[in-house]
Formats: sequence, structure tokens, C-alpha cells
Amino acid sequence: QSALTQPASVSGSPGQSITISCTGTSSDFEIYDLVSWYQQHPGKAPKLMIYEVTKRPSGVSNRFSGSKSGNTASLTISGLQPEDEADYYCCSYAGSSTFLVIFGGGTKLTVL
Amino acid sequence: QVQLQESGPGLVKPSQTLSLTCAVSGGSISSGTYYWSWIRQPAGKGLEWIGRFYTSGSTNYNPSLKSRVTISVDTSKNQFSLKLSSVTAADTAVYYCAREGGYDYVWGSYRPYYMDVWGKGTTVTVSS
Repeated sequence: QSALTQPASVSGSPGQSITISCTGTSSDFEIYDLVSWYQQHPGKAPKLMIYEVTKRPSGVSNRFSGSKSGNTASLTISGLQPEDEADYYCCSYAGSSTFLVIFGGGTKLTVL
Repeated sequence: QVQLQESGPGLVKPSQTLSLTCAVSGGSISSGTYYWSWIRQPAGKGLEWIGRFYTSGSTNYNPSLKSRVTISVDTSKNQFSLKLSSVTAADTAVYYCAREGGYDYVWGSYRPYYMDVWGKGTTVTVSS
């Protein structure tokens, strides 16, 4: 069974940069550049922040960036702002024909 | 601007079937450009993908739920639906519908690579 592992929590002060890691266990995670990241504020629906490892949807701040090396993907938020405080989920896919969705357990970002 | 809106009963009895609908506005569900998914989130927990539908008629389901899930589409109403049978308290969650987009430039086909539009979610409680 494929899995994505994220730290339960990270924190940073306004203006600082933080990185959230996402480690995958399947070969599909390493082979395909299909990692996406979602931001979720309390009581709200998730919002796509990064897709296909490094791409930002229109309207998402360039303070958000993504990368991947081997079996670990990362989301970096630079110039932390209070509104960045939220839960962040990484996501990837398994199966080249079925594209089964796998979510990481989520990381709570606290802006101190 | 595509928008998704979930609807359905907020309370379902154990062993019964949970039925939800996701209405799509601002775009056609049958365009063939996107895939349509359901995701759920128990209170205080993470996201769990339930499954998806594509207008070709194909479906993909989370293996852990596959025996109980049916996702279908009603193109005349521009909406898609989720049915989850034999529910228990463990199925209590906020249920989201989402649009999946992406394009495979090697094969020249649309793929479900990311979820770019989400509904606001609807809470379903399983209780007698």
C-alpha cells in the first residue's frame, strides 16, 4: 500500500521561510512528477497551491514553491504571513492507468 | 468560473446508503477535459479520496471503499453523484466533490493529475 508521510506540525515566524516534506513509499512517486499540495483553513475546503511538483495555479502567491528529489517532495513557503497558518496536504497518484489518489496525513503550519 | 456544490442528507442511519450529489455550474461536466472526484474528511482528520468518474464512463475507486462505492453522472443535470452503501459511524465526515485536471503531453490525453476546483463540502453524520 502506497503512503505519503508528512510531519504533523511545523512553525515559523512572520517573514521567515519554512519547508514541509512529503515522503512517498511507492515507485510511482519517484517516477512521476504528479505531486500536488493543498492548503486548508479551518472549516474551509482545500485549495490547490502547487501541482505537478513545481507549478503554481493562477492566483497563488509566488511565495509558495514546490520541489522533489527522489522519494521526497517539499513545499516551501517564503516570507511567512499570518494567513499562511493552515493545514497542508501533499498528494500523489499511484497506478499509471488508474491514477489512484493518495493524500499525506497533513501538516499543521503555525505562524508564531 | 466553474463552481461545485454538494447536496444531500446530513444524517444517515447505520447500514443504509449515503447518497450525495455534486452540481457543476459554469462548465460542462461532459466536456471530456476533466475528471470528477469525491473526497471525504472525518472531523479533525486528514483527507481521504473516495473515487472518480470520467465522462468516458470509466470510474476509479479507493480500494478500501471500492466494494461499497458507486459514482455516476447525470449529464442532463450537469451533476455527478456518490452512493456509499452499508454505512457505519466511521463514514461520518465532511464530503467534498472536486474537479481533477491535467494533460499528458506524451500521449495527448487528459488525465486526473490534480484537484483544482473544490466544492465547499457537506457534513454527513451516520447515526441512529
